[in-house]
Amino acid sequence: KNQVEQSPQSLIILEGKNCTLQCNYTVSPFSNLRWYKQDTGRGPVSLTIMTFSENTKSNGRYTATLDADTKQSSLHITASQLSDSASYICVVSAEDSNYQLIWGAGTKLIIKP
Amino acid sequence: GAGVSQSPSNKVTEKGKDVELRCDPISGHTALYWYRQSLGQGLEFLIYFQGNSAPDKSGLPSDRFSAERTGGSVSTLTIQRTQQEDSAVYLCASSSRSAGANYGYTFGSGTRLTVV
Repeated sequence: KNQVEQSPQSLIILEGKNCTLQCNYTVSPFSNLRWYKQDTGRGPVSLTIMTFSENTKSNGRYTATLDADTKQSSLHITASQLSDSASYICVVSAEDSNYQLIWGAGTKLIIKP
Repeated sequence: GAGVSQSPSNKVTEKGKDVELRCDPISGHTALYWYRQSLGQGLEFLIYFQGNSAPDKSGLPSDRFSAERTGGSVSTLTIQRTQQEDSAVYLCASSSRSAGANYGYTFGSGTRLTVV
């Protein structure tokens, strides 16, 4: 069964600190993996999209990594800001489905001043 | 418009009533998706429209749910005889290409439905 699991479920860190969020998936055959940021009361906003051949991709202070062999991805946030407080969702697309994405439940990140 | 617009943003309805949720996609986007997000859960696919093709309704949880897309633009998701388990945030997204390729979705802010 295609699944995406994220950890931790929630995380609280101080402003300015770094953090890493984890995503494990069992989706096969793999097409691509996306990280989304979802602010409370808003729709998800795409941060990165990675295909099988990409190991790392950055978007400002966000860096995503992908290990297609172990089926793991991480999202690293550097020098966190209060505006980073949100849910971060890992989403994986299977190659045999050209539109259905398998969504993780997300990690709720809270940045404290 | 500049983004995906959904209305209403919040809807409280009594159990057994019908509701209609509206989505205005980005102009020119041929693909439109409806998702449902229950509290603390990941997004659940409901239905997909692509151009003039027949929609993929495989994600609709029951025959109380239906959706249409008129003129290839605005879409309406209808839930008949609402139940408490229908309470969730309903998100609409549009894309200019099939999202199986590496094209991004643009999401609306969602409609929060509460069935009491």
